[in-house]
Amino acid sequence: AQKVTQAQTEISVVEKEDVTLDCVYETRDTTYYLFWYKQPPSGELVFLIRRNSFDEQNEISGRYSWNFQKSTSSFNFTITASQVVDSAVYFCALSDFNQAGTALIFGKGTTLSVSS
Amino acid sequence: DSGVTQTPKHLITATGQRVTLRCSPRSGDLSVYWYQQSLDQGLQFLIQYYNGEERAKGNILERFSAQQFPDLHSELNLSSLELGDSALYFCASSVAAGGTYNEQFFGPGTRLTVL
Repeated sequence: AQKVTQAQTEISVVEKEDVTLDCVYETRDTTYYLFWYKQPPSGELVFLIRRNSFDEQNEISGRYSWNFQKSTSSFNFTITASQVVDSAVYFCALSDFNQAGTALIFGKGTTLSVSS
Repeated sequence: DSGVTQTPKHLITATGQRVTLRCSPRSGDLSVYWYQQSLDQGLQFLIQYYNGEERAKGNILERFSAQQFPDLHSELNLSSLELGDSALYFCASSVAAGGTYNEQFFGPGTRLTVL
């Protein structure tokens, strides 16, 4: 079954701390995609990154970095030197090539609170 | 701004009523997806349409239905509303139907409150 697990429900850090959000997935597909989305208090879903299953290179974008490990079915997200503006709910998601279309399977989300 | 528009932004209604949520995809996108975000269930996929045809179905209740019109906008109809239907409903769109992944762009959502 397709499943995404974000074991950390809430994380609180102080500004400038590094923080890692964990994501573990289960899939029946040999080719799949993984995503991270950010949901700030305003409510919209902001796309952060997409990673396909055959590219295990880590990626860095500014203060954000992602570690994809197929061997452990994990796709973890690290924020370096966190800022108050990083406070949001972060969702990890997995593509589900089901039927004749594609859905996203989301984890339950991790609420990150960054205090000054 | 993703280019996906949803109306209304907020909707308050009573149990037993019926409402319609509207979504306009990004220009050029043929697929529309509906997702429900609730405190109990988290973010769940409901249904996908591609160029007017239903392509994939998730955990969508029988009281809910959707359609995609020739101009590609989509409507999600929720009937016999219950308190538990209170949620944030997102629409997303993508260029194609599936197979090789096509990135989904999300709208701002419609917050439905059932009293």
